Amino acid sequence: ETGVTQSPTHLIKTRGQQVTLRCSSQSGHNTVSWYQQALGQGPQFIFQYYREEENGRGNFPPRFSGLQFPNYSSELNVNALELDDSALYLCASSSTGELFFGEGSRLTVL
Amino acid sequence: TQLLEQSPQFLSIQEGENLTVYCNSSSVFSSLQWYRQEPGEGPVLLVTVVTGGEVKKLKRLTFQFGDARKDSSLHITAAQPGDTGLYLCAGAYMEYGNKLVFGAGTILRVKS
Repeated sequence: ETGVTQSPTHLIKTRGQQVTLRCSSQSGHNTVSWYQQALGQGPQFIFQYYREEENGRGNFPPRFSGLQFPNYSSELNVNALELDDSALYLCASSSTGELFFGEGSRLTVL
Repeated sequence: TQLLEQSPQFLSIQEGENLTVYCNSSSVFSSLQWYRQEPGEGPVLLVTVVTGGEVKKLKRLTFQFGDARKDSSLHITAAQPGDTGLYLCAGAYMEYGNKLVFGAGTILRVKS
């Protein structure tokens, strides 16, 4: 039990739509990282938030954006969805460097 | 191109056999972590190695960090069906602000 919860667990969207994924971090963790994991691949770093500020970003276009709230929960927003955005989106919280992952949100774009 | 290479990509072995998974990079890691991921779940941290030459053991799993901190290995002794899963190495690089970079993973299947 990691304490990191993500919602929704599964969702289906069509090209061009927008999606918001949510993450509730483990108690006491002030850092949230988001990863995209395509089928058969390792997780790819999207961005990280530390105390409500973006603290590093991977090689993802601006239509991937995020937020962190005062309670350290976080959202990942993806605009203008493309077929290649179909993946498992993982949220991980941390405080001392060790990442604790949620179970992910499986996004399918048709 | 992958910054961090894992091999093999897929491994299917019989219960009781030994195996080794490798993780290599052309850059020096600040630290390296190994994770195990099961279908429908997020990765779970197995170990973190920081010092070159470091060896850590977790029951039947032995993790080694290369002297130059550019490579690591995971060795499993007497594999069991419960070891089946996706094994991921993830390195932290100073030039990437110490954000974790994951390898593509090794899918291990242990048959009984």
